[in-house]
Amino acid sequence: SQKIEQNSEALNIQEGKTATLTCNYTNYSPAYLQWYRQDPGRGPVFLLLIRENEKEKRKERLKVTFDTTLKQSLFHITASQPADSATYLCALDPSGQAGTALIFGKGTTLSVSS
Amino acid sequence: GAVVSQHPSWVICKSGTSVKIECRSLDFQATTMFWYRQFPKQSLMLMATSNEGSKATYEQGVEKDKFLINHASLTLSTLTVTSAHPEDSSFYICSARDSSGAGETQYFGPGTRLLVL
Repeated sequence: SQKIEQNSEALNIQEGKTATLTCNYTNYSPAYLQWYRQDPGRGPVFLLLIRENEKEKRKERLKVTFDTTLKQSLFHITASQPADSATYLCALDPSGQAGTALIFGKGTTLSVSS
Repeated sequence: GAVVSQHPSWVICKSGTSVKIECRSLDFQATTMFWYRQFPKQSLMLMATSNEGSKATYEQGVEKDKFLINHASLTLSTLTVTSAHPEDSSFYICSARDSSGAGETQYFGPGTRLLVL
């Protein structure tokens, strides 16, 4: 069956450390994968998109990798801050076409303590 | 970035009444919008795909007669929860893709919290 899994439901780290979140998928061949941030009671906010031919993508303190052989994406937040505390969702488009919806993982709730 | 709005942001209603939720793309046109539902500590679950000018496509297990979707223009889709019951209480979120570009990224609304008493 097709699955998208974020291995950790919760991750607690200290301020200044690097947070690493994992997203694994099975029985999909996505053309790209996306990461979103969701705060309590709010809709997801788009962070980064990485394509299958890209190994790594960076945006400020965020870094995403995409290994299509392992069927895995890693999401890193360097120099983490308490304001980074939120739930992070990975999502993929199973068809690669603009008219189809994203499939989401359950999310990892990150807590950064000062 | 692209902005999607939802209205209302929260609503409380009595069992048996109908509730309409609006989703608007403010600075881009969206041929397709998506409606999701999210229960506490759960992921977003796709309910239906809303297509401008045509019927919505519903996911398995979602009653089309209960969750009416209308996508009358390229910037507006509405979800009406008919004869709402307490089990319909949830967080409803819409999203849209920009029709003009590659359309890879979905932009989400802020969500609508529905509480049915």
